[in-house]
Amino acid sequence: NAGVTQTPKFRVLKTGQSMTLLCAQDMNHEYMYWYRQDPGMGLRLIHYSVGEGTTAKGEVPDGYNVSRLKKQNFLLGLESAAPSQTSVYFCASSLSGQGTYGYTFGSGTRLTVV
Amino acid sequence: KNEVEQSPQNLTAQEGEFITINCSYSVGISALHWLQQHPGGGIVSLFMLSSGKKKHGRLIATINIQEKHSSLHITASHPRDSAVYICAVKGVDKLIFGTGTRLQVFP
Repeated sequence: NAGVTQTPKFRVLKTGQSMTLLCAQDMNHEYMYWYRQDPGMGLRLIHYSVGEGTTAKGEVPDGYNVSRLKKQNFLLGLESAAPSQTSVYFCASSLSGQGTYGYTFGSGTRLTVV
Repeated sequence: KNEVEQSPQNLTAQEGEFITINCSYSVGISALHWLQQHPGGGIVSLFMLSSGKKKHGRLIATINIQEKHSSLHITASHPRDSAVYICAVKGVDKLIFGTGTRLQVFP
């Protein structure tokens, strides 16, 4: 089925470890986004990309890096994980930056940093 | 004060009841989105509105741009409607999300 696929779905990291979250979409969308969801808060934008080879910072970019080497993939990296990065991470994509055709979200990655 | 406020935060209903979830926002927007998040699952886009009203099955979404307010209605609610409903507005350069309304529908 067409959509946004996130891997892994769950992960437990020790403080200081690194990891990469993968987001893949097969809808030829230009725009891709990484959000984090924390209890009692709305989703917050970490980084986003407006096309292959481009990335930009969102609201809460510190401690994360991203890459978009291929149009269909958007990677989120944590170089040195901290307990404050315990969260549920969602990837999303859209055809246009204005969201005119809506947004498609992945199923989320639940990350725990101990 | 959050730029997007949803009410109520939690809602319980009996199967068959009419449900209303409200969203108020304080910023200029180009569009408003209603999203559904099932427990342990991903987020699904329900509606995108820039004016008026949209209907899909038992779901109806309305928006009043002048009042900066939107409502999501569910007619003849069913236990499978149990989920978190999230309002998000498209501002100048980003989506701003509400904290969600948790709906539980009991048989």
